[in-house]
Amino acid sequence: NAGVTQTPKFRILKIGQSMTLQCAQDMNHNYMYWYRQDPGMGLKLIYYSVGAGITDKGEVPNGYNVSRSTTEDFPLRLELAAPSQTSVYFCATLAGGSSYEQYFGPGTRLTVT
Amino acid sequence: AQSVTQLGSHVSVSEGALVLLRCNYSSSVPPYLFWYVQYPNQGLQLLLKYTSAATLVKGINGFEAEFKKSETSFHLTKPSAHMSDAAEYFCAVSAPGGKLIFGQGTELSVKP
Repeated sequence: NAGVTQTPKFRILKIGQSMTLQCAQDMNHNYMYWYRQDPGMGLKLIYYSVGAGITDKGEVPNGYNVSRSTTEDFPLRLELAAPSQTSVYFCATLAGGSSYEQYFGPGTRLTVT
Repeated sequence: AQSVTQLGSHVSVSEGALVLLRCNYSSSVPPYLFWYVQYPNQGLQLLLKYTSAATLVKGINGFEAEFKKSETSFHLTKPSAHMSDAAEYFCAVSAPGGKLIFGQGTELSVKP
């Protein structure tokens, strides 16, 4: 099992460009999450999904969009990139039930200049 | 609402010394609590979790944490630090929908 995979690993965007961060999982987990990590700030939740077709906002959703058409994939879309979106982005999954443990991908480091 | 505070953004210990990383939480419901570790340029890995069973929780790599409801704390300890323990450590509390609310992180340095 590959677990949680994220692509790309690194990306540099110019201000105003758009891009999609990919997240895929092969564990058949229902719950998926997108976090951003900024130095000294911990991780902040951007969006999450409790199953295919269902998404909801987290703490810092502005400037991002998500979709969840399949159990396996949970892409994060950045529209009109801004320097404030420079961050490391992590995707995570949760089986649900009594598990409570989230599994994290390796992250995507994004720089907006 | 849930929140987490980690006391000390940087902690430095000598190899072989006790490691103590502090975490205090706020939760309106009985919490589930977690400690994650992040090595440089990697994702987060679960160290241990408290899910309302035993209050002393043992995790991987010799770490353990004690849930103290009266102090709303979940401090992480290891009796003897190893160089390989150098990393960033995050405390987190669960929220509805399986979400995690993270503390700001503590960077642990281990001196030879």
